[in-house]
Amino acid sequence: DQQVKQNSPSLSVQEGRISILNCDYTNSMFDYFLWYKKYPAEGPTFLISISSIKDKNEDGRFTVFLNKSAKHLSLHIVPSQPGDSAVYFCAAGVRNNDMRFGAGTRLTVKP
Amino acid sequence: DVKVTQSSRYLVKRTGEKVFLECVQDMDHENMFWYRQDPGLGLRLIYFSYDVKMKEKGDIPEGYSVSREKKERFSLILESASTNQTSMYLCAGARGGLRETQYFGPGTRLLVL
Repeated sequence: DQQVKQNSPSLSVQEGRISILNCDYTNSMFDYFLWYKKYPAEGPTFLISISSIKDKNEDGRFTVFLNKSAKHLSLHIVPSQPGDSAVYFCAAGVRNNDMRFGAGTRLTVKP
Repeated sequence: DVKVTQSSRYLVKRTGEKVFLECVQDMDHENMFWYRQDPGLGLRLIYFSYDVKMKEKGDIPEGYSVSREKKERFSLILESASTNQTSMYLCAGARGGLRETQYFGPGTRLLVL
């Protein structure tokens, strides 16, 4: 039973526009959430995180929003660039414990 | 720069063979993880280790075992490979107090015929 779900396997966005990647989780005990980015032939790399005491965390073009009541988080990329084209994994879990990963969303940013 | 390396990028094995996947990290991380990545299922945790000679089962340990004799090395073992173990295998390391932020190796794509 997947505790972390990314319901959109793919997303295509025009360069310069906003990309919004969504993630839902089922376990209300989860208190830490991360996004990883994966290019082909490479392992995932950490992108941004948020703890449950916050509802927003921003790092440059990347912002993660957390809605605890809906058990939903999203990653916003503004403006999107072709180099952002990758697979994005959402991960969630209890802080300092093992994370559970979603299935990933393949983002394509078109020039 | 942190580094997690995996012994092979691609591997082809036959059903019933014993398979070793090796992972080495140079970050002095206490925690190491093995995942498999399959389409539509994301990364699923097979086993992890939080110290030398310690191991814990993840979500899908059946058909796998692990070995951690040295801090920097974490091996995944398929005792008798089966076709449903064809997958991408990813190793990761993480610091003791920050198991959630993991550093991944490039992956090993295993094909079992």
